[in-house]
Amino acid sequence: SQQGEEDPQALSIQEGENATMNCSYKTSINNLQWYRQNSGRGLVHLILIRSNEREKHSGRLRVTLDTSKKSSSLLITASRAADTASYFCATGLTGGFKTIFGAGTRLFVKA
Amino acid sequence: DAGVTQSPTHLIKTRGQQVTLRCSPISGHKSVSWYQQVLGQGPQFIFQYYEKEERGRGNFPDRFSARQFPNYSSELNVNALLLGDSALYLCASSLAFPQSSYNEQFFGPGTRLTVL
Repeated sequence: SQQGEEDPQALSIQEGENATMNCSYKTSINNLQWYRQNSGRGLVHLILIRSNEREKHSGRLRVTLDTSKKSSSLLITASRAADTASYFCATGLTGGFKTIFGAGTRLFVKA
Repeated sequence: DAGVTQSPTHLIKTRGQQVTLRCSPISGHKSVSWYQQVLGQGPQFIFQYYEKEERGRGNFPDRFSARQFPNYSSELNVNALLLGDSALYLCASSLAFPQSSYNEQFFGPGTRLTVL
């Protein structure tokens, strides 16, 4: 089974609204990364948050990490139609060499 | 600067054949990882190489193999192809040592493999 699980599986919002996606994981991690993927193409790296960090910002993106709950959230503010994509969380496991992806959240932003 | 590059972009093979996929990391990156992404799912980890040595392996059969060359480029080989091997194969490179908490991975555009 996959380490990370995103919630919701799909999300449809209007342009200008905020979008929140959640990720839960099972084991101890070094870091957690969020990626965007458009139409089955390569993944675009959005942000990395380390296990000793609680919050990071990058432009319209805000990521939080709660290691006690083994969960992370990605907030996209003032969404745009161009934000329509699949979003994945990926966990770098402590003491290991694997990066484990969840199944993704499919975001659709209506203009 | 060039990002991660992969070749070929698309590939069609028949069952039982063998395939080789290629990846060139970002200049200066010494770690390369391979992932398989089946339609509608998240990427599944196959291998990680760092400094030309295999450092991690996912739950894939021995039909899957890889190597990393002195210039840090990498090849993924899949033997005895099955229909279920049809997927997008992604390569990612990173600068830091794989166990580092700073280990950001940057992905190439992928190779779409179709097995008929």
